[in-house]
Amino acid sequence: NAGVTQTPKFRVLKTGQSMTLLCAQDMNHEYMYWYRQDPGMGLRLIHYSVGEGTTAKGEVPDGYNVSRLKKQNFLLGLESAAPSQTSVYFCASSSSQGIVYFGPGTRLTVT
Amino acid sequence: AQSVAQPEDQVKVAEGNPLTVKCTYSVSGNPYLFWYVQYPNRGLQFLLKYITGDNLVKGSYGFEAEFNKSQTSFHLKKPSALVSDSALYFCAVRDQGTYKYIFGTGTRLKVLA
Repeated sequence: NAGVTQTPKFRVLKTGQSMTLLCAQDMNHEYMYWYRQDPGMGLRLIHYSVGEGTTAKGEVPDGYNVSRLKKQNFLLGLESAAPSQTSVYFCASSSSQGIVYFGPGTRLTVT
Repeated sequence: AQSVAQPEDQVKVAEGNPLTVKCTYSVSGNPYLFWYVQYPNRGLQFLLKYITGDNLVKGSYGFEAEFNKSQTSFHLKKPSALVSDSALYFCAVRDQGTYKYIFGTGTRLKVLA
């Protein structure tokens, strides 16, 4: 039981490049989330999903897109990276019971 | 909208002393409240939650939290701090309508030997 896994762990992008962050969970959770963590800002919700095939915007969705084609996977895309998207990105999942399980994070630097 | 506030960026306490990390919340309806801990270069780990029932909730690693409805607070406590408790602590609330989790800005706890 791996829990929540994220790929890659680290990435450096140049401004304007695109990339996709992959998140997988093996707990059969309905709900999945993408957060970004920045110093002094805490965790901010980017997008979330309440089930396969559904996505919704969080607090800071601009510049990001997501897809949840399979229940266990939640993808976060950056179409045209900007330096303001330099951050640590966390994927998380939960069931209706309430506990959120987090992945180990992806550290992204945009130069 | 649901929200939580952590008024202290940092808390310092001597090892062996009691510790408190503060959190206040703003919700419509009954609150689902959580505490998480983050160690350096790691994801967040669940400590405890309050959904209903006793106002004093016990969690992992000897931590507990006191739910106070009149003060809209959910402070994290531990009777005797350890150096290994030094970490970043987050309070969170779940939006019951959307299942979104809203996190506070975090409080860095430093336990001094």
